Amino acid sequence: AQTVTQSQPEMSVQEAETVTLSCTYDTSENNYYLFWYKQPPSRQMILVIRQEAYKQQNATENRFSVNFQKAAKSFSLKISDSQLGDTAMYFCAFMKQWGAQKLVFGQGTRLTINP
Amino acid sequence: DGGITQSPKYLFRKEGQNVTLSCEQNLNHDAMYWYRQDPGQGLRLIYYSQIVNDFQKGDIAEGYSVSREKKESFPLTVTSAQKNPTAFYLCASSMGDSSYEQYFGPGTRLTVT
Repeated sequence: AQTVTQSQPEMSVQEAETVTLSCTYDTSENNYYLFWYKQPPSRQMILVIRQEAYKQQNATENRFSVNFQKAAKSFSLKISDSQLGDTAMYFCAFMKQWGAQKLVFGQGTRLTINP
Repeated sequence: DGGITQSPKYLFRKEGQNVTLSCEQNLNHDAMYWYRQDPGQGLRLIYYSQIVNDFQKGDIAEGYSVSREKKESFPLTVTSAQKNPTAFYLCASSMGDSSYEQYFGPGTRLTVT
């Protein structure tokens, strides 16, 4: 079975700073997908960024980028030029490429951006 | 507008009563999912359905039941057998095999006293 671990329950940074959220996972699969989801106070889950395991290039979406280290089973999220609207819970998630599309989530990191 | 709707946003029930949470999508997605979220924890999969009239148990299916009679609808019943039903419930959908991105509804907060 796959597991996802987020070791930082809470983080806090000043607006405009860069912050990195950590995620590690455990799997015997070779092909899979990794995701970062954002859950603001409204509790709506929003996809931030995704990474296909077969791609060596790290995914980027505007201010959001990942550092995907397949051998180390590590998948960190970097938020550059942080904004007040980035305040949210962030969840790392894993999905096998083949079979049922079941997402396995980490426990989450509560990120607060201070003005 | 296309999307996923869950109703109601807040739901209160007495212990021992069954309750059904609604989930509807107009995205023409084949697959639908139910997740449970407890405070300080990530989401855990309850049930999922990849096609109409078919569904499978997730990691925490005990005390829950579902049906998938229509492509657009995937209601979740929380039965009296569920020992700790108070939680936040999220429904999601995806295209299925051709796409792996899951889109989430706004969620239902269920409180059982």
